Amino acid sequence: KAGVTQTPRYLIKTRGQQVTLSCSPISGHRSVSWYQQTPGQGLQFLFEYFSETQRNKGNFPGRFSGRQFSNSRSEMNVSTLELGDSALYLCASSLGQMNTEAFFGQGTRLTVV
Amino acid sequence: GESVGLHLPTLSVQEGDNSIINCAYSNSASDYFIWYKQESGKGPQFIIDIRSNMDKRQGQRVTVLLNKTVKHLSLQIAATQPGDSAVYFCAENPNQGGKLIFGQGTELSVKP
Repeated sequence: KAGVTQTPRYLIKTRGQQVTLSCSPISGHRSVSWYQQTPGQGLQFLFEYFSETQRNKGNFPGRFSGRQFSNSRSEMNVSTLELGDSALYLCASSLGQMNTEAFFGQGTRLTVV
Repeated sequence: GESVGLHLPTLSVQEGDNSIINCAYSNSASDYFIWYKQESGKGPQFIIDIRSNMDKRQGQRVTVLLNKTVKHLSLQIAATQPGDSAVYFCAENPNQGGKLIFGQGTELSVKP
């Protein structure tokens, strides 16, 4: 069974640009959550999508958005990039019911210059 | 300005010893907890989970203990090996779908 796949693995963008990251969950998983990991703030929850609907949202500005497709694949978008958006972006997939295991992908390392 | 990184607690153990990593969680409503291991350059790897109706759960070489009274979680690793060296995170599910709240992490260093 394939794990969670995130693409691309690495990205370098310039301030002001926008970026789209992709996440393919484990087959059969309907929930995809996104997290930002930085040395300063640790792992912080961005949002969760379940059955193409945003189910939960963290405390990030509106520049961070996401969506989920009918095949459960998810994308997140960051517009008007800032230097502080440099981070490892991780997605996690789960079946979506309460209290079920969540499995992470390898992450996308975004560097904003 | 200069950014200040999180200062991760570090646990250094000798190969073969047992390790205990502790975590305090924040939300009394949380009813599901997971321990993750993260190696450099990789995403967090699921180790073991526990639901709030239990106070102990064992896996292969790992045991998780949950004390809801003081909102404390611990991960015990038996016979620690060099391959166990990583950062370990506890995560709580505050009864909000798939949302997880992570602790700051503990860096485990195993000396051969």
